[in-house]
Amino acid sequence: QVVLTQSPSASASLGASVKLTCTLSSGHSSYTIAWHQQQPEKGPRFLMQLNSDGSHTKGDGIPDRFSGSSSGAERHLTISSLQSEDEADYYCQTWGTGYVVFGGGTKLTVL
Amino acid sequence: VQLVESGGGLVKSGESLRLSCAASGFTFSTYNMNWVRQAPGKGLEWVSSISSSSSYIYYADSVKGRFTLSRDNAKNSLYLQMNSLRAEDTAVYYCARDSRPGTPCGPFDIWGQGTVVTVSS
Repeated sequence: QVVLTQSPSASASLGASVKLTCTLSSGHSSYTIAWHQQQPEKGPRFLMQLNSDGSHTKGDGIPDRFSGSSSGAERHLTISSLQSEDEADYYCQTWGTGYVVFGGGTKLTVL
Repeated sequence: VQLVESGGGLVKSGESLRLSCAASGFTFSTYNMNWVRQAPGKGLEWVSSISSSSSYIYYADSVKGRFTLSRDNAKNSLYLQMNSLRAEDTAVYYCARDSRPGTPCGPFDIWGQGTVVTVSS
Protein backbone atom coordinates (compact mmCIF):
# COMPACT_ATOMS: atom_id res chain seq x y z
CA GLN A 1 0.00 0.00 0.00
CA VAL A 2 1.06 3.57 -0.66
CA VAL A 3 2.97 5.45 2.06
CA LEU A 4 3.26 9.24 2.30
CA THR A 5 6.37 10.72 3.90
CA GLN A 6 6.58 14.25 5.27
CA SER A 7 9.30 16.03 7.24
CA PRO A 8 8.14 16.48 10.85
CA SER A 9 8.92 20.17 10.99
CA ALA A 10 9.72 23.26 8.95
CA SER A 11 10.23 26.91 9.72
CA ALA A 12 10.39 30.18 7.82
CA SER A 13 10.24 33.87 8.58
CA LEU A 14 7.20 36.11 8.45
CA GLY A 15 6.75 37.38 4.89
CA ALA A 16 9.02 34.73 3.38
CA SER A 17 8.11 31.61 1.38
CA VAL A 18 8.28 27.96 2.38
CA LYS A 19 7.99 24.75 0.40
CA LEU A 20 6.63 21.65 2.11
CA THR A 21 7.09 18.22 0.56
CA CYS A 22 5.07 15.01 0.59
CA THR A 23 6.80 12.00 -0.97
CA LEU A 24 4.92 9.04 -2.38
CA SER A 25 6.37 5.57 -1.85
CA SER A 26 8.01 3.64 -4.66
CA GLY A 27 5.66 2.61 -7.43
CA HIS A 28 3.06 5.22 -6.58
CA SER A 29 4.50 8.33 -8.22
CA SER A 30 1.38 8.91 -10.34
CA TYR A 31 -0.96 9.32 -7.39
CA THR A 32 -3.00 12.45 -6.81
CA ILE A 33 -2.87 13.87 -3.30
CA ALA A 34 -4.66 16.47 -1.23
CA TRP A 35 -3.12 19.01 1.14
CA HIS A 36 -4.84 19.95 4.40
CA GLN A 37 -4.02 22.60 6.99
CA GLN A 38 -4.74 22.17 10.69
CA GLN A 39 -4.33 25.25 12.83
CA PRO A 40 -3.90 24.75 16.59
CA GLU A 41 -6.99 23.40 18.33
CA LYS A 42 -8.99 23.34 15.09
CA GLY A 43 -10.24 20.76 12.64
CA PRO A 44 -8.38 20.27 9.36
CA ARG A 45 -9.11 22.47 6.34
CA PHE A 46 -8.81 21.34 2.75
CA LEU A 47 -6.26 23.40 0.81
CA MET A 48 -6.00 21.72 -2.57
CA GLN A 49 -5.99 18.61 -4.66
CA LEU A 50 -2.64 18.18 -6.43
CA ASN A 51 -2.14 15.96 -9.47
CA SER A 52 1.04 14.28 -10.68
CA ASP A 53 1.42 16.81 -13.50
CA GLY A 54 1.37 19.69 -11.01
CA SER A 55 -2.12 20.88 -11.84
CA HIS A 56 -4.10 21.65 -8.74
CA THR A 57 -7.58 22.63 -7.61
CA LYS A 58 -7.84 24.72 -4.48
CA GLY A 59 -10.59 24.72 -1.93
CA ASP A 60 -13.04 27.57 -1.56
CA GLY A 61 -11.47 30.69 -0.11
CA ILE A 62 -7.89 29.45 -0.17
CA PRO A 63 -5.62 32.45 -0.85
CA ASP A 64 -3.41 32.69 -3.90
CA ARG A 65 -0.42 32.52 -1.53
CA PHE A 66 -0.94 28.75 -1.46
CA SER A 67 0.20 26.84 -4.52
CA GLY A 68 1.13 23.30 -5.43
CA SER A 69 3.61 21.59 -7.71
CA SER A 70 4.82 18.05 -8.46
CA SER A 71 8.11 16.46 -9.39
CA GLY A 72 8.23 12.70 -9.80
CA ALA A 73 7.07 11.17 -6.53
CA GLU A 74 7.20 14.50 -4.70
CA ARG A 75 4.21 16.72 -4.13
CA HIS A 76 4.94 20.23 -2.95
CA LEU A 77 2.95 22.86 -1.13
CA THR A 78 4.39 26.35 -1.38
CA ILE A 79 3.19 29.13 0.87
CA SER A 80 4.37 32.61 -0.04
CA SER A 81 4.21 35.86 1.96
CA LEU A 82 3.98 33.85 5.16
CA GLN A 83 1.60 35.15 7.78
CA SER A 84 1.33 34.27 11.45
CA GLU A 85 -1.88 32.34 10.86
CA ASP A 86 -0.03 29.99 8.52
CA GLU A 87 1.63 28.47 11.57
CA ALA A 88 -0.07 25.09 11.57
CA ASP A 89 0.27 21.40 10.84
CA TYR A 90 0.08 20.42 7.19
CA TYR A 91 -1.01 16.94 6.11
CA CYS A 92 -1.02 15.27 2.74
CA GLN A 93 -3.63 12.62 1.88
CA THR A 94 -3.99 10.06 -0.85
CA TRP A 95 -6.48 7.34 -1.55
CA GLY A 96 -7.55 4.30 -3.48
CA THR A 97 -10.65 2.16 -3.69
CA GLY A 98 -11.54 1.46 -0.09
CA TYR A 99 -8.64 3.14 1.66
CA VAL A 100 -7.22 6.52 2.61
CA VAL A 101 -3.68 7.30 3.71
CA PHE A 102 -2.34 10.39 5.46
CA GLY A 103 1.23 11.53 5.76
CA GLY A 104 2.62 12.06 9.23
CA GLY A 105 2.26 15.83 8.96
CA THR A 106 4.66 18.77 8.94
CA LYS A 107 4.55 21.32 11.74
CA LEU A 108 5.26 24.74 10.24
CA THR A 109 6.66 27.43 12.51
CA VAL A 110 6.53 31.05 11.36
CA LEU A 111 9.46 32.91 12.88
CA VAL B 1 -21.67 23.93 4.05
CA GLN B 2 -21.14 22.44 7.48
CA LEU B 3 -20.49 19.19 9.33
CA VAL B 4 -21.16 19.02 13.07
CA GLU B 5 -20.08 15.99 15.09
CA SER B 6 -21.57 14.95 18.41
CA GLY B 7 -21.71 11.98 20.75
CA GLY B 8 -18.20 11.93 22.10
CA GLY B 9 -17.47 11.40 25.78
CA LEU B 10 -15.62 9.44 28.44
CA VAL B 11 -16.19 5.69 28.53
CA LYS B 12 -14.42 2.69 30.01
CA SER B 13 -12.54 0.08 28.05
CA GLY B 14 -14.93 -2.44 26.52
CA GLU B 15 -17.89 -0.06 26.43
CA SER B 16 -19.67 1.41 23.41
CA LEU B 17 -20.31 4.86 22.01
CA ARG B 18 -22.21 6.19 18.99
CA LEU B 19 -20.97 9.26 17.16
CA SER B 20 -23.16 11.38 14.89
CA CYS B 21 -22.37 13.87 12.18
CA ALA B 22 -25.03 16.33 11.03
CA ALA B 23 -24.57 17.75 7.55
CA SER B 24 -26.02 20.97 6.20
CA GLY B 25 -25.63 23.30 3.24
CA PHE B 26 -25.17 20.62 0.59
CA THR B 27 -26.99 17.62 -0.87
CA PHE B 28 -25.81 15.04 1.63
CA SER B 29 -27.25 12.07 -0.23
CA THR B 30 -24.91 12.56 -3.20
CA TYR B 31 -21.61 12.50 -1.31
CA ASN B 32 -19.45 9.74 0.09
CA MET B 33 -18.62 10.39 3.75
CA ASN B 34 -15.85 9.50 6.14
CA TRP B 35 -14.54 9.43 9.70
CA VAL B 36 -10.96 10.36 10.56
CA ARG B 37 -9.45 10.38 14.05
CA GLN B 38 -6.52 12.07 15.71
CA ALA B 39 -5.02 10.69 18.91
CA PRO B 40 -3.60 13.26 21.36
CA GLY B 41 -0.46 14.81 19.90
CA LYS B 42 -0.57 12.55 16.86
CA GLY B 43 -1.43 12.83 13.18
CA LEU B 44 -4.57 12.07 11.23
CA GLU B 45 -5.74 8.46 10.88
CA TRP B 46 -8.47 7.36 8.47
CA VAL B 47 -11.16 5.27 10.21
CA SER B 48 -13.97 4.48 7.78
CA SER B 49 -15.74 5.50 4.57
CA ILE B 50 -19.24 5.01 3.20
CA SER B 51 -20.59 5.60 -0.27
CA SER B 52 -23.51 7.92 -0.92
CA SER B 53 -26.07 5.11 -1.05
CA SER B 54 -24.40 2.95 1.61
CA SER B 55 -23.52 0.35 -1.01
CA TYR B 56 -19.84 0.43 -0.12
CA ILE B 57 -18.41 0.66 3.39
CA TYR B 58 -14.72 0.41 4.23
CA TYR B 59 -12.81 0.28 7.50
CA ALA B 60 -9.25 0.66 8.68
CA ASP B 61 -7.81 -2.59 10.02
CA SER B 62 -7.51 -1.01 13.46
CA VAL B 63 -11.31 -0.75 13.84
CA LYS B 64 -12.61 -3.53 11.60
CA GLY B 65 -15.04 -5.78 13.46
CA ARG B 66 -15.57 -3.25 16.26
CA PHE B 67 -16.86 -0.12 14.50
CA THR B 68 -19.90 0.15 12.21
CA LEU B 69 -20.46 3.06 9.86
CA SER B 70 -23.94 4.01 8.63
CA ARG B 71 -25.86 6.95 7.30
CA ASP B 72 -29.43 8.24 7.06
CA ASN B 73 -29.80 10.38 3.95
CA ALA B 74 -33.30 11.46 4.96
CA LYS B 75 -31.84 12.97 8.12
CA ASN B 76 -28.61 14.24 6.51
CA SER B 77 -26.70 12.32 9.14
CA LEU B 78 -23.70 10.03 9.42
CA TYR B 79 -23.15 7.64 12.31
CA LEU B 80 -20.26 5.68 13.78
CA GLN B 81 -21.14 2.91 16.21
CA MET B 82 -18.05 2.08 18.24
CA ASN B 83 -18.05 -1.14 20.26
CA SER B 84 -15.42 -2.86 22.39
CA LEU B 85 -13.60 0.42 22.81
CA ARG B 86 -9.94 0.38 23.77
CA ALA B 87 -7.62 2.97 25.29
CA GLU B 88 -5.95 3.36 21.89
CA ASP B 89 -9.27 4.55 20.42
CA THR B 90 -8.92 7.74 22.46
CA ALA B 91 -8.90 10.57 19.92
CA VAL B 92 -10.72 13.48 18.38
CA TYR B 93 -13.05 12.05 15.74
CA TYR B 94 -13.69 14.12 12.63
CA CYS B 95 -16.42 13.73 10.05
CA ALA B 96 -15.29 14.59 6.51
CA ARG B 97 -16.87 14.85 3.08
CA ASP B 98 -15.37 13.14 0.08
CA SER B 99 -15.26 15.62 -2.81
CA ARG B 100 -15.21 12.96 -5.50
CA PRO B 101 -18.37 11.12 -6.62
CA GLY B 102 -18.50 7.40 -7.28
CA THR B 103 -16.87 4.61 -5.30
CA PRO B 104 -15.01 5.74 -2.15
CA CYS B 105 -12.46 7.07 -1.48
CA GLY B 106 -11.24 10.49 -2.55
CA PRO B 107 -9.94 13.81 -1.30
CA PHE B 108 -11.76 15.22 1.72
CA ASP B 109 -12.93 18.76 1.03
CA ILE B 110 -15.11 19.56 4.06
CA TRP B 111 -14.26 18.73 7.67
CA GLY B 112 -16.15 19.05 10.93
CA GLN B 113 -14.73 20.49 14.14
CA GLY B 114 -14.46 17.10 15.81
CA THR B 115 -15.80 15.32 18.88
CA VAL B 116 -13.59 13.96 21.65
CA VAL B 117 -13.66 10.31 22.64
CA THR B 118 -11.76 9.24 25.75
CA VAL B 119 -11.49 5.58 26.69
CA SER B 120 -10.19 4.89 30.17
CA SER B 121 -8.53 1.62 30.96
